[in-house]
Amino acid sequence: DQQVKQNSPSLSVQEGRISILNCDYTNSMFDYFLWYKKYPAEGPTFLISISSIKDKNEDGRFTVFLNKSAKHLSLHIVPSQPGDSAVYFCAASVSLDGATNKLIFGTGTLLAVQP
Amino acid sequence: NAGVMQNPRHLVRRRGQEARLRCSPMKGHSHVYWYRQLPEEGLKFMVYLQKENIIDESGMPKERFSAEFPKEGPSILRIQQVVRGDSAAYFCASSPVGVDYGYTFGSGTRLTVV
Repeated sequence: DQQVKQNSPSLSVQEGRISILNCDYTNSMFDYFLWYKKYPAEGPTFLISISSIKDKNEDGRFTVFLNKSAKHLSLHIVPSQPGDSAVYFCAASVSLDGATNKLIFGTGTLLAVQP
Repeated sequence: NAGVMQNPRHLVRRRGQEARLRCSPMKGHSHVYWYRQLPEEGLKFMVYLQKENIIDESGMPKERFSAEFPKEGPSILRIQQVVRGDSAAYFCASSPVGVDYGYTFGSGTRLTVV
């Protein structure tokens, strides 16, 4: 039962262009969505998040868009840089008891930014 | 302020042996989460612990796997009688008291069962 899905296992983009990574979810009870970036042999690092009551959050070159009716979110990186090459995980937060939560992750998308 | 520390980074075990993975959360963090990444897969939630309490273990295999987070010392993920299918990267994350959405992850322990 994959509640968070990233259907594109990989994406290749030219340096300077826009990278768009997509994520779909099935559980309408998710209250927060996050993107993590992971380099090989390292742990995931938090990148950007968005509350379920928002439809857009921007941080520098990174923007996350949320479409609740479609249960879809996307991460835009513009302009893309070679250092952005990594695996990007979409994650959704589900509240356990109002005071604690856990994250459900997608399977990841490998982004390759070509110089 | 050290981040989440996991050790060992790499662990090789023969089938049937026990594996013990350790995780020291960030200073001030009292919530610990364990995730497993199998080859070619995403991060799968295993267990969520607070000091001396297991809050959610819905992702833990029913047999051979256990986790603890004692009052003193690191959190331990223990796998008894390991099998080849246990080979994976195991990541620990921590967060402070209360709801915090941006977990901090450790660098992981890569377990190889031979």
